[in-house]
Amino acid sequence: AQSVTQPDIHITVSEGASLELRCNYSYGATPYLFWYVQSPGQGLQLLLKYFSGDTLVQGIKGFEAEFKRSQSSFNLRKPSVHWSDAAEYFCAVGGNSGYSTLTFGKGTMLLVSP
Amino acid sequence: ETGVTQSPTHLIKTRGQQVTLRCSSQSGHNTVSWYQQALGQGPQFIFQYYREEENGRGNFPPRFSGLQFPNYSSELNVNALELDDSALYLCASSFAQGGYGYTFGSGTRLTVV
Repeated sequence: AQSVTQPDIHITVSEGASLELRCNYSYGATPYLFWYVQSPGQGLQLLLKYFSGDTLVQGIKGFEAEFKRSQSSFNLRKPSVHWSDAAEYFCAVGGNSGYSTLTFGKGTMLLVSP
Repeated sequence: ETGVTQSPTHLIKTRGQQVTLRCSSQSGHNTVSWYQQALGQGPQFIFQYYREEENGRGNFPPRFSGLQFPNYSSELNVNALELDDSALYLCASSFAQGGYGYTFGSGTRLTVV
């Protein structure tokens, strides 16, 4: 069965500091990995996705993620956090077709301090 | 290009009642999936509809049911509401014959009292 673990429930980062959110997955086949962001009361916005190829993927809003098969990880990074990045972040695993369903982690809440 | 719209945005129901949530797919999409997001949790897959038929189901009881209409819009129905059904319900549409392309709606916040 597929699963996603986000070990950090909350993370607080100072504005301008770097950020890394951790994600570990379990998947029986080639994983297709996603990071979503959710602001309070909002739906999910896709930040980036990994299907194959280069293990470092770039996304929107200056985010990037690195796929490490040996560690079953897909960590999200940003070099310099802005106050507007405060939100909840979800890692997910699934397929790359229009039929695919997603398995999400429990999320990491990012708080940004001045 | 319109996105995914869900209605209503908020809803309060009493335990034991029935509720219907609605979702309009993004233009050009023919598949609709529903997810339940309880407070402090990630979204969980409820079911998916394609060509007006259920095309996959997560670990949810039969009192969760759905419909997809010819215009690809969809409904989620929940019977005999329980307190634990309180959650944000997210609808996502996609094009089955394409590659990945989920678009999520903003959700319906259901509170069961």
